[in-house]
Amino acid sequence: SAVISQKPSRDICQRGTSLTIQCQVDSQVTMMFWYRQQPGQSLTLIATANQGSEATYESGFVIDKFPISRPNLTFSTLTVSNMSPEDSSIYLCSGTTAANTGELFFGEGSRLTVL
Amino acid sequence: GESVGLHLPTLSVQEGDNSIINCAYSNSASDYFIWYKQESGKGPQFIIDIRSNMDKRQGQRVTVLLNKTVKHLSLQIAATQPGDSAVYFCAENIRSSASKIIFGSGTRLSIRP
Repeated sequence: SAVISQKPSRDICQRGTSLTIQCQVDSQVTMMFWYRQQPGQSLTLIATANQGSEATYESGFVIDKFPISRPNLTFSTLTVSNMSPEDSSIYLCSGTTAANTGELFFGEGSRLTVL
Repeated sequence: GESVGLHLPTLSVQEGDNSIINCAYSNSASDYFIWYKQESGKGPQFIIDIRSNMDKRQGQRVTVLLNKTVKHLSLQIAATQPGDSAVYFCAENIRSSASKIIFGSGTRLSIRP
């Protein structure tokens, strides 16, 4: 198993600013993903964080808005850029410890509120 | 587009009874399905999974059934307990898409004492 830590756990942000969320895993994971969960809704995959290369984004998400880094196997960051109230959401980091498995481990999430 | 969805958005069950949560999927390329449980304020937690070459898999108090003919997935929880109160998501692993996990819309399970 893997323990995933995210910070900040929550933040209140001003419109137009950017915030970077950090994700640290306690063991090496092969795949890391970033999800968004809007209030009362399911999880939507933002992107796959690739080690040492550009993330793979899902439809509707772009690098300029959600730049992602993954410098090594145990750490990743997601930046929410030029925030608007519509970006208010929970952002979740997740990872798998073996390729092609559904056993995703999740962090507790980062709850962002944009005023 | 293809997606994973659920029949029932909320489910209220008497404590001690069995719970059945249903899910429909439409992506014929999916060959691996997972159920997650999400408690308030926490990230989703893996419950049980099933591969498409199986139609049933059992865990501790939970059973997942897969009907590929009608593209239907269900999670059965035996002797439901207050600690089972949570939102349950089905998800699919689309192997043709580099193993990414796509989540369904979720069912909130509440337990009546």
